[in-house]
Parts: sequence; structure tokens; C-alpha cells
Amino acid sequence: AQSVTQLDSHVSVSEGTPVLLRCNYSSSYSPSLFWYVQHPNKGLQLLLKYTSAATLVKGINGFEAEFKKSETSFHLTKPSAHMSDAAEYFCVVSDLSYGGSQGNLIFGKGTKLSVKP
Amino acid sequence: ETGVTQTPRHLVMGMTNKKSLKCEQHLGHNAMYWYKQSAKKPLELMFVYSLEERVENNSVPSRFSPECPNSSHLFLHLHTLQPEDSALYLCASSQTGTGDTGYLNTEAFFGQGTRLTVV
Repeated sequence: AQSVTQLDSHVSVSEGTPVLLRCNYSSSYSPSLFWYVQHPNKGLQLLLKYTSAATLVKGINGFEAEFKKSETSFHLTKPSAHMSDAAEYFCVVSDLSYGGSQGNLIFGKGTKLSVKP
Repeated sequence: ETGVTQTPRHLVMGMTNKKSLKCEQHLGHNAMYWYKQSAKKPLELMFVYSLEERVENNSVPSRFSPECPNSSHLFLHLHTLQPEDSALYLCASSQTGTGDTGYLNTEAFFGQGTRLTVV
């Protein structure tokens, strides 16, 4: 079974400082991994995805994430936080199912990012 | 605009009412999902329709009933709900295809959600 753990429920940074949101996963297979962002009262928007190509993945709004198989991690980073980055971030692993048609996404519990002026 | 449209955006209903949530995707995907997002709880997968098969989720109460008439439309029929069912209900779609090791989803695209309040 696959699972994903977001290590921090809340991260607070100052504007202009780096952002690090941590995510660890467990998977029996080669996973696909995603980061989504959700602004208040909005749906989820894909930030970036890893699907067994380059291990360093660049996404929208200056975010990037590095897939580290040895550490089973997929941490999200950004060099310089902006006020508009304040939102909730979800790390997601794609579930692979043999012999069936189901494939679904396993969500972490989310990390709320606050950005102080 | 993500290509996934949910209506209504907000819904207030009494516990004896019957209502339906609608989701439409314009992305040509073959899998659609209902998720429930409650305050301070992880996103909960409720139902999946993938490759025209419905995946039962035994933990979802029968007062929630999904319907997927075709690959572009998904409904969630609601009846005799409880106040604890108040939440943001999110619809999503993705493309499911075979990879080397089985079925693999591409990323999911989400609608804006329906904010449901049960009074």
C-alpha cells in the first residue's frame, strides 16, 4: 500500500525567505508524485509532478521539488516566498493497482503555509 | 479555468432535502472522482469512476449516491444528510492508462468545489 506523510501541518516564513515543505512517501512501485496548492475556498491546482523522468522537477510560481528515492522524499522548495504563496499545500502519490481499473491519488494531510510581511 | 466545472458552488440544504451536485470535465479524461474536504481533516476519496468502472467505497454512507452517465459527467446525489456532512466537495478528473507496471494515473484536475452546508 502506498502512503504519503507531510511532516509539518503548518509552516510560517517571512516574505523573501526560502520555503521548505517536507513530504515523505512509501511505495512498492515507482511512484508518480505531485504537489498541489489550494488557496482559501478554491479547488486544488497542480504545482508540479514527478513521473520517473528528471528527479528535480520545476513547477509553476517558482516552486520546485526533488525526488530522492533513497530518502523516499519529495520536498517542495522555493527560494523566496511571496505573500501570494500563503495557501495549503498537498503532497500526493499516485496509487498503482494491478489487474484492475482503479487508480487513485493518495493525499497527504496538507501543510498550511503562512507568509509574514 | 481548469477544465472541470462544478455546480452549484454553494449549497445549503435541510436534513430532509434531496439535492444533487454536478461535475463536468472538458478534458477528455476517462476517470472522475469525488472527494470530501472537511475542516482539519485530510482529503477523503469518496468515489472513483475509472475506465467506466465504479469503485465502491464502503466507508461512504449510503446517503451519498454517485452517478456517472458518461465519461464527462459525474453527479453526487444527496439525501437525508447530517450536519457533519457539511464540507467542501471536490470533483476531479484524470487520464488513466497502462504503464509498465499496471494502471497509472496522470495528474488530477480539480473543480472549484461545492461548499455544502447541512442545516
